Amino acid sequence: EAGVVQSPRYKIIEKKQPVAFWCNPISGHNTLYWYRQNLGQGPELLIRYENEEAVDDSQLPKDRFSAERLKGVDSTLKIQPAELGDSAVYLCASSPGPASSYNEQFFGPGTRLTVL
Amino acid sequence: DAKTTQPTSMDCAEGRAANLPCNHSTISGNEYVYWYRQIHSQGPQYIIHGLKNNETNEMASLIITEDRKSSTLILPHATLRDTAVYYCIVRPYSGNTPLVFGKGTRLSVIA
Repeated sequence: EAGVVQSPRYKIIEKKQPVAFWCNPISGHNTLYWYRQNLGQGPELLIRYENEEAVDDSQLPKDRFSAERLKGVDSTLKIQPAELGDSAVYLCASSPGPASSYNEQFFGPGTRLTVL
Repeated sequence: DAKTTQPTSMDCAEGRAANLPCNHSTISGNEYVYWYRQIHSQGPQYIIHGLKNNETNEMASLIITEDRKSSTLILPHATLRDTAVYYCIVRPYSGNTPLVFGKGTRLSVIA
């Protein structure tokens, strides 16, 4: 079974440029999460989707960050414009969904963003 | 904020048991203790979880104190591939509440 797929694995951009990250969760997983991990810290939630609905986006900086999960499968996280402080690893995770008694989260390898 | 306290780092000799402690003195009755680990350049990986009984799986054992205010993750025979950051997390089992990570414990397994 394929795991959570993320692309690109690495991205280097200059500040003020836009950037987008893509995530394909495990097939059949209804819940999708985006986390951000700064150097030396644990991951922090940005947004959580149940199917195509964003049910928790309170930690998403909405002035420059946006996300979508069309058709409740793949998801894209966008930053526009990027700032130096956005340099981090962006992790996508998925889990079966609230109706499941099994709610372990599976993480992708992450996208390492460097803003110059 | 994370509701757990873990040592910043630990060393363990290869082949020996690694015992990683975690304090969670404010844990609620409906919260479980979860352990994840993150190997360098990878996403976090689920290890084990428990409520109040000790748990064991193919990866590790989890010992939770009777008052549930602390727990210990045990890797019975650590290998070099177990070198990683280990996160102890408390969260309700029901629903899909996000994981709230602290800084974790950096375990170095030494040959």
